[in-house]
Amino acid sequence: AQKVTQAQTEISVVEKEDVTLDCVYETRDTTYYLFWYKQPPSGELVFLIRRNSFDEQNEISGRYSWNFQKSTSSFNFTITASQVVDSAVYFCALPQGGSEKLVFGKGTKLTVNP
Amino acid sequence: DAGVIQSPRHEVTEMGQEVTLRCKPISGHDYLFWYRQTMMRGLELLIYFNNNVPIDDSGMPEDRFSAKMPNASFSTLKIQPSEPRDSAVYFCASGGGTQYFGPGTRLTVL
Repeated sequence: AQKVTQAQTEISVVEKEDVTLDCVYETRDTTYYLFWYKQPPSGELVFLIRRNSFDEQNEISGRYSWNFQKSTSSFNFTITASQVVDSAVYFCALPQGGSEKLVFGKGTKLTVNP
Repeated sequence: DAGVIQSPRHEVTEMGQEVTLRCKPISGHDYLFWYRQTMMRGLELLIYFNNNVPIDDSGMPEDRFSAKMPNASFSTLKIQPSEPRDSAVYFCASGGGTQYFGPGTRLTVL
C-alpha cells in the first residue's frame, strides 16, 4: 500500500535561511504522481506542485524547488531564503494505486522566525 | 475563477444535533472529495465522488455520516446525530488529477 513519510515533525529557522523538507514514499506503482500542499496558519490547504514519476528533473518556482529522486523514493522540497510568510505546515501526498485517493504524510510544521 | 466554496465556515452545535456541511466544487471538475482533519489523525479522506457518483466511502467513520452529490455543483456531508468526537475541520476538495481544497468548515460539537 502507498505510504508517505515526513520524518521532520517541526523545523524552525531564521529568516533568509534555506530549508529542506523531506518526503519519502512507498508505492508499487510504476507510474505515479507526487504532490506538495501548504497549510498556512489560516488553515486552508494550498496546492503547490504535482510531479509525474516519469520526470525526474528538478522543478524550480521562485524560491521553491523540488528534488525528485526515484532511486531513493524521495521528493524533497527546498525553500531558499525563507521568509516569515513561509511559516506553515507542508504536506507531501501520493495517490493510492489506481485511484484518485490521496495518501498524505503527517506534515512538517515550518516556523520561520524574523 | 472562484475556488471551492464551503459553508458554513464555522459551526458550533450540541451533541445529538444534526449537522450539514455544504460544498460547491470548481466548475468542470469531475471529482469531489470530503476530508476530515484532526490533530490526532491528521487528514483523512472520508468519501469521494466521480461525476456525482460515490466511488469510495471506506473512510466514512460510521452510519452517522452520510454524503450526497445531487448534481455537479453541490455536495453535502451530514452528521446525524453529532458527537463531540466529530469536532474537526472538514475540507471539501475538487479536481481530477490535482485536488483543490476549499477553506474548510471548523465543526465544534459540545
